[in-house]
Amino acid sequence: SQTIHQWPATLVQPVGSPLSLECTVEGTSNPNLYWYRQAAGRGLQLLFYSVGIGQISSEVPQNLSASRPQDRQFILSSKKLLLSDSGFYLCAWKQEYQETQYFGPGTRLLVL
Amino acid sequence: QQQVKQSPQSLIVQKGGISIINCAYENTAFDYFPWYQQFPGKGPALLIAIRPDVSEKKEGRFTISFNKSAKQFSLHIMDSQPGDSATYFCAASVSNFGNEKLTFGTGTRLTIIP
Repeated sequence: SQTIHQWPATLVQPVGSPLSLECTVEGTSNPNLYWYRQAAGRGLQLLFYSVGIGQISSEVPQNLSASRPQDRQFILSSKKLLLSDSGFYLCAWKQEYQETQYFGPGTRLLVL
Repeated sequence: QQQVKQSPQSLIVQKGGISIINCAYENTAFDYFPWYQQFPGKGPALLIAIRPDVSEKKEGRFTISFNKSAKQFSLHIMDSQPGDSATYFCAASVSNFGNEKLTFGTGTRLTIIP
């Protein structure tokens, strides 16, 4: 069976510090991968998606970036965090040519 | 045109009652409509999904009703239970040769009271 992991689960970072969130998927190959952000009490905003290694598409211009160094690894990064980067970051995967996306447990980021 | 509008923002229903959440869309190319359930501090999980070739889909106490001409779809939770208290998101996507992206509604916080 497939599982998706995200870490860390919780992160408190000062403004201006760098960020690296990691997502890995087990039990499947060549998944589509997605990064979402969910502000408190809000919906899910798609940030990045990837259909393969090294292939990243950005949905929203911002100070975040994503990378996919391995088939089942997706990383969300920032060089300098802003207060507005606080939120709940969710990674999701789906099998190519299937619609259902499966979400990870999320990372709660608080920028102070 | 890519938006999915969801209402209400919050909903309180008595135990045993029917919870109804509505969504509307503009993009007629959407051809997959899932509903996700999210508990506090957790990632969303797929609850039920429908395609526009059917008007209704039922799984246990959960039913999706779909009105293609009105471009609306809704989630009905029958015999609502306290364990159903969660945030529900509707979503929609367009088949795109394996690169489907979901457009989410803004969510409905459902509270079931005893």
